[in-house]
Amino acid sequence: EAGVAQSPRYKIIEKRQSVAFWCNPISGHATLYWYQQILGQGPKLLIQFQNNGVVDDSQLPKDRFSAERLKGVDSTLKIQPAKLEDSAVYLCASSSLNGNTIYFGEGSWLTVV
Amino acid sequence: SQKIEQNSEALNIQEGKTATLTCNYTNYSPAYLQWYRQDPGRGPVFLLLIRENEKEKRKERLKVTFDTTLKQSLFHITASQPADSATYLCGFTDNYGQNFVFGPGTRLSVLP
Repeated sequence: EAGVAQSPRYKIIEKRQSVAFWCNPISGHATLYWYQQILGQGPKLLIQFQNNGVVDDSQLPKDRFSAERLKGVDSTLKIQPAKLEDSAVYLCASSSLNGNTIYFGEGSWLTVV
Repeated sequence: SQKIEQNSEALNIQEGKTATLTCNYTNYSPAYLQWYRQDPGRGPVFLLLIRENEKEKRKERLKVTFDTTLKQSLFHITASQPADSATYLCGFTDNYGQNFVFGPGTRLSVLP
């Protein structure tokens, strides 16, 4: 069974530029999560989708971050404009509906200079 | 607000000993508790899940306990090996798979 796929793995951008990350969850998983993990810290939930609806986006900085999951499968996370403090790993994860275990991708590493 | 603490940022132990990692939580009543392993440059990998009505769960050299009175989980690795060196994260979720939160992680180093 294929795992959670993410791209790109690495991205370096200048501050005020924009960036987009893509995620393809495990087949059949209804719930998709985007987490931000700053070096040395645990993952922090940015947004949770169930199918194509948003369940929780309370910690998403909506002035610069946006995410969508139009067809209930793939998802895109966008940052515009990026700030230095956005340098982190952006982890996508998925779980089955009402599942209590989530499965992570390898992450997209963002460096803002 | 919800808070999850893990016993220390880093833990060093000698090969062959038992490593014990602690996860404490406040202002939260999780239904499920999970432990994940994260290697440098990789995403977290699921290890074990324990439910609130379970006291202990084992898998090979791993053992997890869950004490809802103390609001604490202990994660044990017996007969530790250098290959067990990684960061270990505890995470909680409610009954519906919502509100999935993680602790800051403990970096374990098993010395040969």
